Amino acid sequence: DVKVTQSSRYLVKRTGEKVFLECVQDMDHENMFWYRQDPGLGLRLIYFSYDVKMKEKGDIPEGYSVSREKKERFSLILESASTNQTSMYLCASSPTGISNQPQHFGDGTRLSIL
Amino acid sequence: GDSVTQMEGPVTLSEEAFLTINCTYTATGYPSLFWYVQYPGEGLQLLLKATKADDKGSNKGFEATYRKETTSFHLEKGSVQVSDSAVYFCALPYTGGFKTIFGAGTRLFVKA
Repeated sequence: DVKVTQSSRYLVKRTGEKVFLECVQDMDHENMFWYRQDPGLGLRLIYFSYDVKMKEKGDIPEGYSVSREKKERFSLILESASTNQTSMYLCASSPTGISNQPQHFGDGTRLSIL
Repeated sequence: GDSVTQMEGPVTLSEEAFLTINCTYTATGYPSLFWYVQYPGEGLQLLLKATKADDKGSNKGFEATYRKETTSFHLEKGSVQVSDSAVYFCALPYTGGFKTIFGAGTRLFVKA
């Protein structure tokens, strides 16, 4: 089975801090994604990557950046955390760039910014 | 552009009741369609999928039929259990792209 592992289940940080959320997948998938999930807003795509060192903005990239130095690892960076970035963050991966493949998700990181 | 619309929740049912969660889509071409489920405290996981018109996806007693004429992919289960309490998402891959469009999610509560 595909395993997508997010480094933290719960994280508490302070306003203005630089925050790193890490995600690792073990199935050699080319595509990786970061979403945030908020009540009433569903899943919103922040960034995705279709290859090492390649990245594309999603629907809500402002205030975030990403890094993909190795195929299995995709990091989300909050450059200067703000309270409106308190949310559940979900990482996902999918195999080679065929659009009809489902995504595999990690268990999420619940991030609180105080 | 491509889009997915699913019924709003929450949906509250008693155990052994019949479940329908409606999902309609707009898409260019003929993409696959997915239903994902998110149990409390977990990420999303694929529940079932259908890859072409008239296909029926099924898993864990859930079924959904890909209906091109009504652009729908409604999720059904004949007899729900308390353990089915979760959030259900209808999803549509972008035609020719890497991304997936997710519906807003429908929360299901099943009472014993």
